[in-house]
Amino acid sequence: GDSVTQMEGPVTLSEEAFLTINCTYTATGYPSLFWYVQYPGEGLQLLLKATKADDKGSNKGFEATYRKETTSFHLEKGSVQVSDSAVYFCALSNQFYFGTGTSLTVIP
Amino acid sequence: DAGVIQSPRHEVTEMGQEVTLRCKPISGHDYLFWYRQTMMRGLELLIYFNNNVPIDDSGMPEDRFSAKMPNASFSTLKIQPSEPRDSAVYFCASSRTGNTEAFFGQGTRLTVV
Repeated sequence: GDSVTQMEGPVTLSEEAFLTINCTYTATGYPSLFWYVQYPGEGLQLLLKATKADDKGSNKGFEATYRKETTSFHLEKGSVQVSDSAVYFCALSNQFYFGTGTSLTVIP
Repeated sequence: DAGVIQSPRHEVTEMGQEVTLRCKPISGHDYLFWYRQTMMRGLELLIYFNNNVPIDDSGMPEDRFSAKMPNASFSTLKIQPSEPRDSAVYFCASSRTGNTEAFFGQGTRLTVV
């Protein structure tokens, strides 16, 4: 069946460091892929998405490219800020499949 | 639109009591999802509806859990009787189609003592 495998956390980085959170998927057909972010005490918010192979989703300095050949959708940011501290979830349409979440803490 | 609205935000109840969580999805969204989030198990899909019809409830932990969607603008998740291990944050989400992003409510933090 469809599934998402996400990099285990937690991840701790210094401010302005480079971030990568890995996500791979298994799916039939051609799903859409999403990254969600959850700030403390809040619900999940969509961070970015990609609907087909080779699409790049981007938002707030974060990027992820839909790689069909490697079945991956890794999240990257060139320079993280303290305000990026949150839990990040990779998800596969039809929204049923979420990764386990990766907790990111950015220290000044 | 006000987004997905869940109530209550916090609920504390005693073991054995009935608990009802409520959700109002975004107008025009055909899909509604209930999730449970705990530290141990992460984010689990409990059940989802399409056009008010339950499609997959295989994530519902046991018969103590039930969910209904009597119309397009309202859904409930009921736990009867509640147990301490049901303590978690319960999220409701809705999406326009099965292939578009889901919008989440703020969640209901349930504590069963």
